[in-house]
Amino acid sequence: QVQLVQSGAEVKKPGASVKVSCKASGYTFTSYYMHWVRQAPGQGLEWMGIINPSGGSTSYAQKFQGRVTMTRDTSTSTVYMELSSLRSEDTAVYYCARDFRLTIFGVAPPFPGGMDVWGQGTTVTVSS
Amino acid sequence: DIQLTQSPSFLSASVGDRVTITCRASQGISSYLAWYQQKPGKAPKLLIYAASTLQSGVPSRFSGSGSGTEFTLTISSLQPEDFATYYCQQLNSYLFGQGTKLEIK
Repeated sequence: QVQLVQSGAEVKKPGASVKVSCKASGYTFTSYYMHWVRQAPGQGLEWMGIINPSGGSTSYAQKFQGRVTMTRDTSTSTVYMELSSLRSEDTAVYYCARDFRLTIFGVAPPFPGGMDVWGQGTTVTVSS
Repeated sequence: DIQLTQSPSFLSASVGDRVTITCRASQGISSYLAWYQQKPGKAPKLLIYAASTLQSGVPSRFSGSGSGTEFTLTISSLQPEDFATYYCQQLNSYLFGQGTKLEIK
């Protein structure tokens, strides 16, 4: 079955970086874009960015530009999200989520998509 | 940036009720809107995409409508498992609405 399995919880000090992994299985990894979404305690969902596992191209939310890096390893069907210069406000659950649009020649078709499969979430706590 | 405004933020209803949640976009987004359900401690679940298309496996009591700037999610007859938080998401910049918490009256 289609599944996304994320790495375990992290505790980091302010100013440090964290790298969260998301391993995909049950489908062709390079055929679907992957999103990262976070949720601070008691708060709503916040989109962070998207990566095309085929070519590795990325697009980040303006809020995270310069602090976030999304990469992928096609040999292990894994995407990574690294967030640097951590502060207490980055304490959140971080999710990877697959965009359900099947890409054509590595590009998502121009119709509305959505996130149909989600990882279980990774809790990142930033505390001194 | 296109902003989304969801209303209401909180909604109290009973099993069997019909409920509607609204999502308004600050600019027209055609049908580039999705709806998600999230239960405490769980990842969100896709309910509706392209404003009105029901995701596979989602009960038919859920429906979505709208285009342009105003969208609605309707649950025709609330079931106990429907009490959760609902989010809209616009699919151009992937921004989420602030959420609607649906509670049992």
